[in-house]
Amino acid sequence: QLQLQESGPGLVKPSETLSLTCTVSGASISSSDYYWGWIRQPPGKGLEWIGSIYYSGSTYYNPSLKSRVTISVDTSKSQFSLKLSSVTAADTAVYYCARGKRENLDAFDIWGQGTMVTVSS
Amino acid sequence: DIQMTQSPSSLSASVGDRVTITCRASQSITTYLNWYQQKPGKAPKLLIYATSSLESGVPSRFSGSGSGTYFTLTISSLQPEDFATYYCQQTYSLRTFGQGTKVEIK
Repeated sequence: QLQLQESGPGLVKPSETLSLTCTVSGASISSSDYYWGWIRQPPGKGLEWIGSIYYSGSTYYNPSLKSRVTISVDTSKSQFSLKLSSVTAADTAVYYCARGKRENLDAFDIWGQGTMVTVSS
Repeated sequence: DIQMTQSPSSLSASVGDRVTITCRASQSITTYLNWYQQKPGKAPKLLIYATSSLESGVPSRFSGSGSGTYFTLTISSLQPEDFATYYCQQTYSLRTFGQGTKVEIK
């Protein structure tokens, strides 16, 4: 059974870089049938797509975050990662990783449980 | 960028009611529209993909329709476990979520 698990610091200082990792278990992260994404949700607010990465390494980012975001994949560890630089309090959110399924017109069909990241000094 | 607008932002309904949520795209997204359900403290759950295809395990009281720029999610007979927030999402160009519709108990 496929599972995704986010990990990383729960507290990040303003102006620093937020780094999170999503570990994929139960399925291959290298399959061309899927892609991988990061989504966040500020407290009490809606969902915001951050970016996605495909098995080929191609990445796509939310234009509003593009200048600060890097998503990468480590197939040897079945992990993909998010780096968000120059964070501010506005980046405080629950961060989710998810799997996108190409067959389902790219819907995110499997999600991690989410991890809360607070930006504060 | 493609913007997604849901309406209403919230609604109150009773068990057994028929509920419809709408989602409009700022440009045509053909049928690249998905619906998610989120309960407090939980990750979103995929309900419907490609406008009208029911995800495995999702009850048949959920249905979706539409194309182009106008889409709907319908719950034919609201059940207690359906009180949640619902989000639409387009996957036609990059990814965008609607702002959400909270379905509350009347």
